[in-house]
Amino acid sequence: QKEVEQDPGPLSVPEGAIVSLNCTYSNSAFQYFMWYRQYSRKGPELLMYTYSSGNKEDGRFTAQVDKSSKYISLFIRDSQPSDSATYLCAPRGNQFYFGTGTSLTVIP
Amino acid sequence: GAVVSQHPSRVICKSGTSVKIECRSLDFQATTMFWYRQFPKQSLMLMATSNEGSKATYEQGVEKDKFLINHASLTLSTLTVTSAHPEDSSFYICSAGLRGAHGGAFFGQGTRLTVV
Repeated sequence: QKEVEQDPGPLSVPEGAIVSLNCTYSNSAFQYFMWYRQYSRKGPELLMYTYSSGNKEDGRFTAQVDKSSKYISLFIRDSQPSDSATYLCAPRGNQFYFGTGTSLTVIP
Repeated sequence: GAVVSQHPSRVICKSGTSVKIECRSLDFQATTMFWYRQFPKQSLMLMATSNEGSKATYEQGVEKDKFLINHASLTLSTLTVTSAHPEDSSFYICSAGLRGAHGGAFFGQGTRLTVV
């Protein structure tokens, strides 16, 4: 069983839409949950992180963790073309375990 | 956030030669740095964990004699791809970070290696 499962997409939405990106994980010991954004041919950029269960909001982005179901979500409100990128979830144990990434395209 | 600088961003080399990639933490001291490899449309694969002043810890299946890692100071780790072959062509990325949740959380810009 993989440590992290993430739907690779691709996901295509119109500008202004609400985007929901999701991951599931297998190790109940994970405490920190990161979301990264990666533009083509660039290193990943830390977007947000949450600790344990709950929600965290930063501008148009909301990260949500449900440890009981081992489910991680990232919501993007009022999506913009500049949000077009690959989004990777990364729970953290002794190391980061990266999802395959979801490719998102926001169409103007 | 913390800044991690990786150099070069792109390199083309001939088969059989060696290539060195540098990873620097610019505004903090990183006792641990991580090296990843990423193939097109795939996620990051951890290759090794680099600890300052000691030998790197390699993931299963990664040849330590081929991918030499040196972490001589708290701000610099290097990855040397020795006797490179076309199948080594990939995107190599390092990460570092502060302790706790941010340990290893910040990534360099990545190095696109092409072996011809």
